[in-house]
Amino acid sequence: GQQLNQSPQSMFIQEGEDVSMNCTSSSIFNTWLWYKQDPGEGPVLLIALYKAGELTSNGRLTAQFGITRKDSFLNISASIPSDVGIYFCAGTMYSGGGADGLTFGKGTHLIIQP
Amino acid sequence: NAGVMQNPRHLVRRRGQEARLRCSPMKGHSHVYWYRQLPEEGLKFMVYLQKENIIDESGMPKERFSAEFPKEGPSILRIQQVVRGDSAAYFCASSPRQVMGQPQHFGDGTRLSIL
Repeated sequence: GQQLNQSPQSMFIQEGEDVSMNCTSSSIFNTWLWYKQDPGEGPVLLIALYKAGELTSNGRLTAQFGITRKDSFLNISASIPSDVGIYFCAGTMYSGGGADGLTFGKGTHLIIQP
Repeated sequence: NAGVMQNPRHLVRRRGQEARLRCSPMKGHSHVYWYRQLPEEGLKFMVYLQKENIIDESGMPKERFSAEFPKEGPSILRIQQVVRGDSAAYFCASSPRQVMGQPQHFGDGTRLSIL
């Protein structure tokens, strides 16, 4: 089956630093999604990417859909304490009438030291 | 996450009992997905349903697990004769249509604990 390798597994950074994480896939996707999950809650959608090479921003977050369609990265600029959490990448292939569930990475734990 | 409603938030069962997890999708969403998350893991797709139809159950264990999304009421994930290994967080997601540009939105999950 499809596998997503997400790295790094965890990050310990200082408040104000920039953060970068990425995902690579063993197969191509036509949709990449980035979610954030806080303890005891469900994943919250941060950014959705639908086109190879696409670069999309959401406030301090920027994500790119890799040109090979097998990878994506997420950057967070000027981190703040509320950025703490687990970030997941997810990919899927939408096709005419297709119904793939999302394939998730194992997550990047972001820990911010004040 | 307030849009997708899951209940109960926590469920404790003894081995051999049945567990029923409920999911009400966001208003206007007719597509429901169930995922399972083990500690320190990402979410794993289980099943995708539209009203009264199972579209893709490729991630569902072959035995003891079933799902439905009736014409009226919430989607139900049912686990019969639960075992310790069923302990996990179960998440439901919904989308208005299964097309590009309509990403899935998740509920806050049901934490299932098996004694």
